[in-house]
Amino acid sequence: QKEVEQNSGPLSVPEGAIASLNCTYSDRVSQSFFWYRQYSGKSPELIMSIYSNGDKEDGRFTAQLNKASQYVSLLIRDSQPSDSATYLCAVIPYGNNRLAFGKGNQVVVIP
Amino acid sequence: DARVTQTPRHKVTEMGQEVTMRCQPILGHNTVFWYRQTMMQGLELLAYFRNRAPLDDSGMPKDRFSAEMPDATLATLKIQPSEPRDSAVYFCASGQGRGTEAFFGQGTRLTVV
Repeated sequence: QKEVEQNSGPLSVPEGAIASLNCTYSDRVSQSFFWYRQYSGKSPELIMSIYSNGDKEDGRFTAQLNKASQYVSLLIRDSQPSDSATYLCAVIPYGNNRLAFGKGNQVVVIP
Repeated sequence: DARVTQTPRHKVTEMGQEVTMRCQPILGHNTVFWYRQTMMQGLELLAYFRNRAPLDDSGMPKDRFSAEMPDATLATLKIQPSEPRDSAVYFCASGQGRGTEAFFGQGTRLTVV
């Protein structure tokens, strides 16, 4: 079982709609969770961090964490063409600093 | 403007040659990661350091890869000898403290021919 899994294929959403991305992780005692955005040919850029169960909102982004079910999700409201990128989920297990990434989900926002 | 700086940005080399990639972490960050990114494998953690000490290099092919932190402002990743399958983008990232986020450099795009 992979440490971090993002299984959905490319996601196409119309401009203005909500994009929803999901990620599951294998280490039950993981404590730190992140979402990175990566534009084509660029480096990953941190957009959200979440450490406690529940929702965390930052502008048009909302991260949701459910430790009991071992998943973390990202919602992008009012999607814009500039949101077209690959979104990477990352997890740090408890007790160390190893930052493990999923393979990412590509989001395409259609004007 | 605090950021992670990587050099070179691009490197083309012949198979068998030594390649050295350098990374300057954000000032004050005590954790440095090296990742390799390919289309097939995504972001793979090669090694990471905390307070300049190597904590985990299990992701690196030990026979040809080596990673060091000669001082707090410089991390290096060496490949000797390089092979075509090493062609990828290599990212350095730095972070501050246990369990916190990491910030990425712009990467080194390596092509081994």
